[in-house]
Amino acid sequence: SQQGEEDPQALSIQEGENATMNCSYKTSINNLQWYRQNSGRGLVHLILIRSNEREKHSGRLRVTLDTSKKSSSLLITASRAADTASYFCATDFQGAQKLVFGQGTRLTINP
Amino acid sequence: DVKVTQSSRYLVKRTGEKVFLECVQDMDHENMFWYRQDPGLGLRLIYFSYDVKMKEKGDIPEGYSVSREKKERFSLILESASTNQTSMYLCASSLRSWGYGYTFGSGTRLTVV
Repeated sequence: SQQGEEDPQALSIQEGENATMNCSYKTSINNLQWYRQNSGRGLVHLILIRSNEREKHSGRLRVTLDTSKKSSSLLITASRAADTASYFCATDFQGAQKLVFGQGTRLTINP
Repeated sequence: DVKVTQSSRYLVKRTGEKVFLECVQDMDHENMFWYRQDPGLGLRLIYFSYDVKMKEKGDIPEGYSVSREKKERFSLILESASTNQTSMYLCASSLRSWGYGYTFGSGTRLTVV
């Protein structure tokens, strides 16, 4: 399967701590994207990192990409209760016209 | 901001009914997509379209069809609804084929009884 795989499947931390989620994939990509989904709602695009980029920041989010290891990580710093959600990586494979989503990491921030 | 609107948040239909799920985007995006989301299976692509009247099968097109008569509207059709089509259906759009993020609608939770 070309599907990206997130790790861990679930993560529970205390408010204020940092949360790290990982994504691995199998074939060459144009870019990799991260999305957030609050319970029962649609996905929200967080950040896109291109294959020639190694790191990208957006507010409290930091994404890294290692194409040699075919992996990416999403770091959320100083977590808040509102960060509780599922986080998905999505890969834009070369030659495809569509994103392929992983199964997500369920993040719970405890007050 | 781009807005993707799905016509219904919740829908209950009977087995064998023909079901239409409507999706409208308001920012002239070329590409539109229909996914279904099921616990343990993640998001699976049903159909997508990169232009008006164009459609491409995704990973699980069986039992579904689509229509894109206008650029802003992409409809998903369940020809004869079955209980295994009970799911969350998500519509998305993107500006171009690659290199852009997707904007998702809020989803339609369909229950087939």
